[in-house]
Amino acid sequence: ETGVTQTPRHLVMGMTNKKSLKCEQHLGHNAMYWYKQSAKKPLELMFVYSLEERVENNSVPSRFSPECPNSSHLFLHLHTLQPEDSALYLCASSQDAFPGANTGELFFGEGSRLTVL
Amino acid sequence: GDSVTQMEGPVTLSEEAFLTINCTYTATGYPSLFWYVQYPGEGLQLLLKATKADDKGSNKGFEATYRKETTSFHLEKGSVQVSDSAVYFCALPFSGGYNKLIFGAGTRLAVHP
Repeated sequence: ETGVTQTPRHLVMGMTNKKSLKCEQHLGHNAMYWYKQSAKKPLELMFVYSLEERVENNSVPSRFSPECPNSSHLFLHLHTLQPEDSALYLCASSQDAFPGANTGELFFGEGSRLTVL
Repeated sequence: GDSVTQMEGPVTLSEEAFLTINCTYTATGYPSLFWYVQYPGEGLQLLLKATKADDKGSNKGFEATYRKETTSFHLEKGSVQVSDSAVYFCALPFSGGYNKLIFGAGTRLAVHP
């Protein structure tokens, strides 16, 4: 069993649909992250949760809505997306996320490949 | 602001060739530096790290030395294998902690038999 599991692996949606991406970590970590990976662009940090509290919202449009009901689960709710939102969405976790934490040790899932038509 | 610059790929090598992937950074102070690898169809995984200047990180035959004079953290391997084919990312922490990372654009490596 992988440490960080993401579902679905692939998702195709229209611009008016509402869908959600799910991430689950089995590592006992306290922090979870959403990153966006687009072709030919660096990974973009979207959201950070530490102990279920959002500590970072990196200027992400409101059509992306994260939810962290507990330290093991993270969701990304999607609505009225644009074609340019098509990308690989990566979830990650780390043991700790506090203001001084810089171990850099993130554990990533395999990603959810999103296509917006 | 802080940033990471990697050499553009793809890098195409024959098996057993020597590999160098360049990474330079701009940052305040001397942050830890990281290399991550993403194999086809998988998420990223930490390959190696260095926490202070002149440190050498190593793992799976890969090495990188933290050079503050040249603000560089180049990744090297003496003899690559087909199984090393992947995308390699250099990274450094955002200021403010929370294990937030700034990633480079990634360098794709293709190794042929």
